[in-house]
Amino acid sequence: EAQVTQNPRYLITVTGKKLTVTCSQNMNHEYMSWYRQDPGLGLRQIYYSMNVEVTDKGDVPEGYKVSRKEKRNFPLILESPSPNQTSLYFCASSFRDRVGEQYFGPGTRLTVT
Amino acid sequence: KNEVEQSPQNLTAQEGEFITINCSYSVGISALHWLQQHPGGGIVSLFMLSSGKKKHGRLIATINIQEKHSSLHITASHPRDSAVYICAVGDSWGKLQFGAGTQVVVTP
Repeated sequence: EAQVTQNPRYLITVTGKKLTVTCSQNMNHEYMSWYRQDPGLGLRQIYYSMNVEVTDKGDVPEGYKVSRKEKRNFPLILESPSPNQTSLYFCASSFRDRVGEQYFGPGTRLTVT
Repeated sequence: KNEVEQSPQNLTAQEGEFITINCSYSVGISALHWLQQHPGGGIVSLFMLSSGKKKHGRLIATINIQEKHSSLHITASHPRDSAVYICAVGDSWGKLQFGAGTQVVVTP
C-alpha cells in the first residue's frame, strides 16, 4: 500500500530535550516536505527536499533541522525543542513534477512543556 | 499580510447546494493546489492547477492567472464533503504557501 508514515504519532516532551520525528515513504517520490499546523495560522512549510542531499528552507525553518540521506526518509530534528514548537506536524511526499499531488502522512502531535 | 487569502473562512450549506470557495494570491506562482482536510485531521491533495479548469467527480477547480484567483466549486454538496479546504501556491522549486483554510459544513 502506498503510504507516508510518521513516527511517533504523539509525543510529549520537555524543553531542550532533542527529538527526531521520522518520515518514510514507499512510493519512490523525489519530493518530500515537512509542515506544521497551528490554530489560526494554518499550514506552514518548514523544510522541503527535491531529492537526496537537496534540502531547502520553507517559511518557518527556525529551530528545525532536516536531512535527506536516502530517498525514502526525511527526518525532522528538533535539537532543543521549545514550547512554541508545540504543534501538529505533517510530512508529505510526491514526484518532483507533481508537487500538487502530495501524499500526506497522518500527522504527529507534539507537545513541548 | 498572508500572501494567500481564502474566503469565506466558514461556510454552512444544505445538502444539494452548490458551494464556492475562493482563493486569491499576491505572488508569482508555478501552480496552485487545493487540499482537503478531513474532520479526523487527514489531508488529501485534490487538485494542482497552472491554468484553466479541472474536474474530479463533483469538485471543480478553476484558476485565472491574470487575476491571481482560483475557485473551488462543490456541486450537489453532501454531508461527507464537510471538511476544511485549503488553497496553496507553489513555485517551481517546491516551496509552498498556504491559505488559512475554509471550514465547510454540509447539513442533511
